Amino acid sequence: DGGITQSPKYLFRKEGQNVTLSCEQNLNHDAMYWYRQDPGQGLRLIYYSQIVNDFQKGDIAEGYSVSREKKESFPLTVTSAQKNPTAFYLCASSPRTGQLSSGANVLTFGAGSRLTVL
Amino acid sequence: DAKTTQPNSMESNEEEPVHLPCNHSTISGTDYIHWYRQLPSQGPEYVIHGLTSNVNNRMASLAIAEDRKSSTLILHRATLRDAAVYYCILRGYAYSGAGSYQLTFGKGTKLSVIP
Repeated sequence: DGGITQSPKYLFRKEGQNVTLSCEQNLNHDAMYWYRQDPGQGLRLIYYSQIVNDFQKGDIAEGYSVSREKKESFPLTVTSAQKNPTAFYLCASSPRTGQLSSGANVLTFGAGSRLTVL
Repeated sequence: DAKTTQPNSMESNEEEPVHLPCNHSTISGTDYIHWYRQLPSQGPEYVIHGLTSNVNNRMASLAIAEDRKSSTLILHRATLRDAAVYYCILRGYAYSGAGSYQLTFGKGTKLSVIP
């Protein structure tokens, strides 16, 4: 079955440590996204990538980094510079069609990774 | 970004229809209206989307106002499994140099289904 796999599901980190969250998709989607969700809040966009070797900052990119070396993979690193990293992190992907019709592209989300800083 | 406004919470009795409203008065002509829902501790899942005409699928119906400034997600018979947070978002194309997508999720509407 095609889908998005996020790992690990739960992660604990000590302050000052960098951690990397994995996101892999086998949907052949060009675009991939990372969102952060805090308790009782909506989703906020961290980074997105429309194509391999290219990515753009979202609304809350400070303290995070990403790479897109392969179409299938879009890992997110939470660095020690992120002041409040405890959150639920969601990865998503979508097809990338013609630009004017891109609004019709549906997002597929992974199950999420919950990061807790001790 | 074009924003959406939804009620924080709604309740419905099981087996009854549910109408979830969304206001998007600043919608642009190229914005599609998408609905997603999220169960506790899970990733959001796609429900339905549309541009101008009303849409139906196996999960729900989407009714779009003629001026496109509001829309309503309709669950025809609520079940306990429909209890979730429902997000109404606008998804369009926003040119920014290399091209970009504007995706903004608000807090959504928390739907409770009463047995």
